[in-house]
Amino acid sequence: AQTVTQSQPEMSVQEAETVTLSCTYDTSENNYYLFWYKQPPSRQMILVIRQEAYKQQNATENRFSVNFQKAAKSFSLKISDSQLGDTAMYFCARNDYKLSFGAGTTVTVRA
Amino acid sequence: AAGVIQSPRHLIKEKRETATLKCYPIPRHDTVYWYQQGPGQDPQFLISFYEKMQSDKGSIPDRFSAQQFSDYHSELNMSSLELGDSALYFCASSPASGGARETQYFGPGTRLLVL
Repeated sequence: AQTVTQSQPEMSVQEAETVTLSCTYDTSENNYYLFWYKQPPSRQMILVIRQEAYKQQNATENRFSVNFQKAAKSFSLKISDSQLGDTAMYFCARNDYKLSFGAGTTVTVRA
Repeated sequence: AAGVIQSPRHLIKEKRETATLKCYPIPRHDTVYWYQQGPGQDPQFLISFYEKMQSDKGSIPDRFSAQQFSDYHSELNMSSLELGDSALYFCASSPASGGARETQYFGPGTRLLVL
């Protein structure tokens, strides 16, 4: 059973605009880690951002930020000032000694 | 900074042949994970090793085996290859400190094509 759900198969955004990717997950743990990975056409898996569940403050990495809602088990990714190089598949993942991934969201940034 | 190294990067095999994929983790990382990503799919966990011992097992076929060596590099051995084994195989590594939920860093992957 899928424990990480990404409900948006594809998203398109104009360059310099903002796009938000949604992710929900299941867990019975109280402490866990959540991640967003980016997979560009080269298919390299690149870590974008991580969130520790016991930290209430939302993680931020440059133009990437998350909205972590622990009670709702929601973990969305916001990409601000989108750039052409952000075009990629984005995977949400939960770590419980191994990574469980969502199905991914393809993000296309239009010039 | 050093990253995870995987070899070979590309591999073409015939059905029923064997293949060996190698993974060299980031220095001072002692935990290695293997994932399989089919076309258009998310990566699926196969197996992991911590301090040279198998730590977890996922949907790895019995035809596959893996091990971690004393220098922490790992090898994934695949026998009796089938067409459905064609996929991108990732190795990832993490430090054990901080618990097993540390961040996993991925190698570039090995693209296996079975003909």
